[in-house]
Amino acid sequence: DAKTTQPPSMDCAEGRAANLPCNHSTISGNEYVYWYRQIHSQGPQYIIHGLKNNETNEMASLIITEDRKSSTLILPHATLRDTAVYYCIVSLIQGAQKLVFGQGTRLTINP
Amino acid sequence: DTGVSQDPRHKITKRGQNVTFRCDPISEHNRLYWYRQTLGQGPEFLTYFQNEAQLEKSRLLSDRFSAERPKGSFSTLEIQRTEQGDSAMYLCASSSYRSAGGLADTQYFGPGTRLTVL
Repeated sequence: DAKTTQPPSMDCAEGRAANLPCNHSTISGNEYVYWYRQIHSQGPQYIIHGLKNNETNEMASLIITEDRKSSTLILPHATLRDTAVYYCIVSLIQGAQKLVFGQGTRLTINP
Repeated sequence: DTGVSQDPRHKITKRGQNVTFRCDPISEHNRLYWYRQTLGQGPEFLTYFQNEAQLEKSRLLSDRFSAERPKGSFSTLEIQRTEQGDSAMYLCASSSYRSAGGLADTQYFGPGTRLTVL
């Protein structure tokens, strides 16, 4: 599985957009980009995934660069409840699809 | 709520005891995964099932660990002769895998079982 690189921590003001970057320069054509988050002491929560097109759902938007070597997760109007560790993961379309979690980005939303 | 459930949520045991955890996946999900998470680290893959078949085991899964999914629904993870190093959060996830179509196999996680070995 391709490795990902994320900043260890970020801060964002409540009500502003939080933009979380992820580098996955070794991603292959048969790998999705997934984002999960983990609020303290809870199980990881699925946010969004994409292959090569930008994606949006009720939680967030995912912007993937044309060369697929990096992506950005956007939380459009961050709230205090969005404080969590955010994981960017690349995972095979077919096969075992075990998720390989890195250290993630600890996002703190400040009032 | 029809999400993934895990039982118990917390378990404290003494070194050398055996423990068993249960995971109930989302209904109709054919894949079930177990992960382990230690303090300050991301979850690490342990093993996964497709229906009742255990298809892959991580090297992290020593011979003291055994997982089953006897009827392709719920799963159990047993740790024999627990050690202090087994203290961690044990996470279960499930997904609905379809081999055709190249669709994403999104995993949904349960709340985890936190094990403390004294």
